[in-house]
Amino acid sequence: DTGVSQDPRHKITKRGQNVTFRCDPISEHNRLYWYRQTLGQGPEFLTYFQNEAQLEKSRLLSDRFSAERPKGSFSTLEIQRTEQGDSAMYLCASSNRDRDYGYTFGSGTRLTVV
Amino acid sequence: GENVEQHPSTLSVQEGDSAVIKCTYSDSASNYFPWYKQELGKGPQLIIDIRSNVGEKKDQRIAVTLNKTAKHFSLHITETQPEDSAVYFCAARKNNNNDMRFGAGTRLTVKP
Repeated sequence: DTGVSQDPRHKITKRGQNVTFRCDPISEHNRLYWYRQTLGQGPEFLTYFQNEAQLEKSRLLSDRFSAERPKGSFSTLEIQRTEQGDSAMYLCASSNRDRDYGYTFGSGTRLTVV
Repeated sequence: GENVEQHPSTLSVQEGDSAVIKCTYSDSASNYFPWYKQELGKGPQLIIDIRSNVGEKKDQRIAVTLNKTAKHFSLHITETQPEDSAVYFCAARKNNNNDMRFGAGTRLTVKP
């Protein structure tokens, strides 16, 4: 297992366009998290899945954001009608609640909205 | 909700010196406190964590201390090396609550 994979690493899009990011967690991890990180700040929680169920969503997750984890494995995060304020690093993490509390993060997708 | 504050925002030390980063949290129900190291272009990597039932944990050159009464915890790095240069984040979380809150980060520079 190569850890948590995120694709793409970088995305530049024009304002108003839709974008979709993908996260492949560690295979035996049943929990998956999305975070957003802006320059000079710590990661901010967006949403969390246990298997295929989306159990928590932050108030940061506006109605333009949607996340799915259809088969309890990989997850996608879609942002519709992107705005310049959406520019950030989007981080995915996974964990196995039955083993420990630690999160394993991917390298992130850096989104730039122009 | 939980609020985590981290100090200092930047820290520069000479190779071989010790580095200390401090965090405070607001929610007394928080019981899990990890520390992450983030290098340029990479995601945060867990380096050490502590649960509220212990006051100190050590792993080689890295140690974390927790004061539950004062609601603060600290990361101690001894014998620093240039490869320790990175941004370090503290975080706090309540049991069974998956909204882990992070501090704003400390940029550590170890000068050779």
